Amino acid sequence: AQSVTQLDSQVPVFEEAPVELRCNYSSSVSVYLFWYVQYPNQGLQLLLKYLSGSTLVKGINGFEAEFNKSQTSFHLRKPSVHISDTAEYFCAVSDVQGAQKLVFGQGTRLTINP
Amino acid sequence: DTAVSQTPKYLVTQMGNDKSIKCEQNLGHDTMYWYKQDSKKFLKIMFSYNNKELIINETVPNRFSPKSPDKAHLNLHINSLELGDSAVYFCASSQATRGGKFFGPGTRLTVL
Repeated sequence: AQSVTQLDSQVPVFEEAPVELRCNYSSSVSVYLFWYVQYPNQGLQLLLKYLSGSTLVKGINGFEAEFNKSQTSFHLRKPSVHISDTAEYFCAVSDVQGAQKLVFGQGTRLTINP
Repeated sequence: DTAVSQTPKYLVTQMGNDKSIKCEQNLGHDTMYWYKQDSKKFLKIMFSYNNKELIINETVPNRFSPKSPDKAHLNLHINSLELGDSAVYFCASSQATRGGKFFGPGTRLTVL
């Protein structure tokens, strides 16, 4: 079984500053990894995904994430955030055999301050 | 041209009632899901259907019964609603299993 830990429940950042949201996973098999964003009172939107290949994955809205197999991490980064990035961010994992089952982390609330 | 749609968006009801939430996707995907998001924002899969067949059932009380009349629809019926069923329920779909899931806007269920 897989599990996901998002190490920070809340991250406050000033506008135009860089941000990193941390995600670690646990699995005994190969995995696919995802980041989703949930804006207030909305559904989840896929930001980016790692399936295979290059460990640096670029997503929408200027976000990127790096898969680190040795550290079992998939941290999300953005070099310069905007007020509109304020949202809840979820890291998720599925194993490559049973990829229907997506296991989510607890979420990180990113708040951008002017 | 909404990809995954759910109705209703909000549902307020009394304990003991039976209610349904509908989900439709127009993406041509073959797999659909129901997820529950609790008050702490934790998301957990409940069910998954592939080509109208149930493939995941995650220890959900049998008061919850999903029904998939065709590949584009996955409805969720809940009998004898309890206070603990209050949550946001998200429908999602995907093609095969690799591509990431597309989520609907959610249905906020409040049981009084």
